[in-house]
Amino acid sequence: ETGVTQTPRHLVMGMTNKKSLKCEQHLGHNAMYWYKQSAKKPLELMFVYNFKEQTENNSVPSRFSPECPNSSHLFLHLHTLQPEDSALYLCASSRAIDVNPYEQYFGPGTRLTVT
Amino acid sequence: DQQVKQNSPSLSVQEGRISILNCDYTNSMFDYFLWYKKYPAEGPTFLISISSIKDKNEDGRFTVFLNKSAKHLSLHIVPSQPGDSAVYFCAASGGSGTYKYIFGTGTRLKVLA
Repeated sequence: ETGVTQTPRHLVMGMTNKKSLKCEQHLGHNAMYWYKQSAKKPLELMFVYNFKEQTENNSVPSRFSPECPNSSHLFLHLHTLQPEDSALYLCASSRAIDVNPYEQYFGPGTRLTVT
Repeated sequence: DQQVKQNSPSLSVQEGRISILNCDYTNSMFDYFLWYKKYPAEGPTFLISISSIKDKNEDGRFTVFLNKSAKHLSLHIVPSQPGDSAVYFCAASGGSGTYKYIFGTGTRLKVLA
């Protein structure tokens, strides 16, 4: 596997379910990110981890819970979501925060539908 | 209020001609700008970036121009190819952290064969 992978690619869950999204990067990076893209809206940064430490929580509701056990893996645990949480969730990685090169590399995303 | 705006939701260009995608920003603290390309069912792919100390950066068929006084950047693709058909996002960062990208809503480019 190369680049950034995300599983599952599609997820349908009820509002009372608990599920997790998984991201893995094979680029040797140390920073990982979760983004949300809702319909007709720009990508929104949710969380940032740098060397496994959370450095950013962009006012995300507590029903979204990130976990970064090591620099290669990132999870997003979901529980009691709302229908408005339906969106494309993208994971990205970069060498480290505020380290050149600054470019972030994205996975293919998980399309989440909350029913 | 959107700090990064892509006012054209779509653009169609003939193959071989120039594609020009535009992006405006409002925050004068932004000092790093990027363009990403996204195909359906794939994540955004990094294309090209530019720092505010430059006004132009070129990579093959792709050139990004930055006009700081106008708070405007543009992506030129020459010549355009059918494989360039995708959604293009501009992003900006700076001030509070170069890693905190603010994205535009994207422009869908269609290159006609």
